[in-house]
Amino acid sequence: GQQLNQSPQSMFIQEGEDVSMNCTSSSIFNTWLWYKQDPGEGPVLLIALYKAGELTSNGRLTAQFGITRKDSFLNISASIPSDVGIYFCAGQGINNAGNMLTFGGGTRLMVKP
Amino acid sequence: KAGVTQTPRYLIKTRGQQVTLSCSPISGHRSVSWYQQTPGQGLQFLFEYFSETQRNKGNFPGRFSGRQFSNSRSEMNVSTLELGDSALYLCASSLTSPEVEKLFFGSGTQLSVL
Repeated sequence: GQQLNQSPQSMFIQEGEDVSMNCTSSSIFNTWLWYKQDPGEGPVLLIALYKAGELTSNGRLTAQFGITRKDSFLNISASIPSDVGIYFCAGQGINNAGNMLTFGGGTRLMVKP
Repeated sequence: KAGVTQTPRYLIKTRGQQVTLSCSPISGHRSVSWYQQTPGQGLQFLFEYFSETQRNKGNFPGRFSGRQFSNSRSEMNVSTLELGDSALYLCASSLTSPEVEKLFFGSGTQLSVL
């Protein structure tokens, strides 16, 4: 089945540093989504991407939909302690009907004040 | 506006038992999806219900089933529990389907199978 390879698995950075994480797949996706999950909570949508090459920002977050439609990256600029959490990429494949999403394995972000 | 509500929050069962989890979507939302989250396999799609009909199903055994009621509330059932079914079960709702960019997740039910 479809798989999303997300890297890195974890990051431990200093407050103020920029962060970059990415997802790749062997399959084409129609939509890419980036979520953040805090402990004890469900994922919360950060950014949605709909077209190949699309670059979208949400505050300090920027994400891009890869031109091949098989990858996406998320950048966080000037990290702050509340950025701590697990970040997931998710995609809706060309054969996925409805709200079926494929998720990456997650990137655990830790920020040192 | 209340979010997606999942009950119970925590559940402990033993192997062989069955369990029913409940999800109340955001008011007005007609699509409810279920996901299983484990440290090893990550987030995996179980199934989606829309207007009381199962729309999609993931690659899980028949022990996993679900249903949706006329008020859009949904339940999922796992029969003959196995140790590997220990996971966080997440429910997500949206107004319609497909509408992946407007999926709202609940806080989940943490199931432990002993």
